[in-house]
Amino acid sequence: QKEVEQDPGPLSVPEGAIVSLNCTYSNSAFQYFMWYRQYSRKGPELLMYTYSSGNKEDGRFTAQVDKSSKYISLFIRDSQPSDSATYLCAMTRAGGTSYGKLTFGQGTILTVHP
Amino acid sequence: DARVTQTPRHKVTEMGQEVTMRCQPILGHNTVFWYRQTMMQGLELLAYFRNRAPLDDSGMPKDRFSAEMPDATLATLKIQPSEPRDSAVYFCASGFDGNTIYFGEGSWLTVV
Repeated sequence: QKEVEQDPGPLSVPEGAIVSLNCTYSNSAFQYFMWYRQYSRKGPELLMYTYSSGNKEDGRFTAQVDKSSKYISLFIRDSQPSDSATYLCAMTRAGGTSYGKLTFGQGTILTVHP
Repeated sequence: DARVTQTPRHKVTEMGQEVTMRCQPILGHNTVFWYRQTMMQGLELLAYFRNRAPLDDSGMPKDRFSAEMPDATLATLKIQPSEPRDSAVYFCASGFDGNTIYFGEGSWLTVV
């Protein structure tokens, strides 16, 4: 079993829909949680970054972390065709040589159709 | 516009040939990572440097892969000899003492 599980989808939604993307993980040592967006034939770009449990909002994007359930979510409000991409969750332990040593989910392919 | 620069962007090579991929991290960043992405395995960490010193290369097949950082502006990943199973996208990423890392556009490798 992988340390981080993410449903690969694909997920197809109409423009304007609310999108919910999720990951579960098994390693309780993970403290930092990230969401990356990857467009076709491009590198991943950081979308959201959260530490420990709680919510973080940035424009149309909201990231949630529930450490007790080992579950993280990314919500996209008013989804746009330009949001069509693969969304990857990533996480890492705190401190020392673990900085930046990310464990990624498989990625969820999202298509937002007009 | 600071970015991680990778070369080559695309490479097709024959099995058994040596492949060298290069990365220029963002100026001022002190941590550099090499990741490999495949459909089956997703993104996997191959090697990791901080202040040019290798910290972790446990994800890298040691018999054929090697990673170096000859100076602060250049990281290399070498495969010798290459095999078809090495076909993947290889990403370099850099950061500064934190968990926010920035990825390059990737080197798309095909070994035939």
